[in-house]
Amino acid sequence: EADIYQTPRYLVIGTGKKITLECSQTMGHDKMYWYQQDPGMELHLIHYSYGVNSTEKGDLSSESTVSRIRTEHFPLTLESARPSHTSQYLCASSRQGHQETQYFGPGTRLLVL
Amino acid sequence: GQQVMQIPQYQHVQEGEDFTTYCNSSTTLSNIQWYKQRPGGHPVFLIQLVKSGEVKKQKRLTFQFGEAKKNSSLHITATQTTDVGTYFCAGFRDNYGQNFVFGPGTRLSVLP
Repeated sequence: EADIYQTPRYLVIGTGKKITLECSQTMGHDKMYWYQQDPGMELHLIHYSYGVNSTEKGDLSSESTVSRIRTEHFPLTLESARPSHTSQYLCASSRQGHQETQYFGPGTRLLVL
Repeated sequence: GQQVMQIPQYQHVQEGEDFTTYCNSSTTLSNIQWYKQRPGGHPVFLIQLVKSGEVKKQKRLTFQFGEAKKNSSLHITATQTTDVGTYFCAGFRDNYGQNFVFGPGTRLSVLP
């Protein structure tokens, strides 16, 4: 089992609230990722990081922001949640290199009312 | 647009039937990985293929990487209800900013 954690696992919140989804990994991986996934649908990459102080936007435009101050921590923040943000958010990490197997966290299911 | 495609999008089979999903890339891939996501779960790594024409087996699952390294397939022999889930391929592309891209997945349902 991969050592990558996400909190909270479930979140119900009202429109306009600021939220931060936490993701931590204890594997010392350089690369970390955030994916947005609706139930049974594609994985959409929204942010990734190659290491500390590195953040990049993914293929899917997102109103969220991320930070990478520590190797093991890659939080995602929504300044003002809206119902269109309702989805599952999956965090993943991988070790830099040719293999780059991605290890996924359990996900955060977000519902914005 | 989508650089890695998968077909079919959905597949319903009777338990015991075989199942195949295909992954196609518009560009040559350095390697390809396959992941399985159970309903309500998160993607879990299954296998990686690196060499042109490579074939690997995991019990009832057979994975193949095309000769041109642009396509791959996953074949399940005699499906079981435990095979239910979404199967994603993921390609690693050299010389791209974000060089790891997932296909859209194939959802497999197995009827008992």
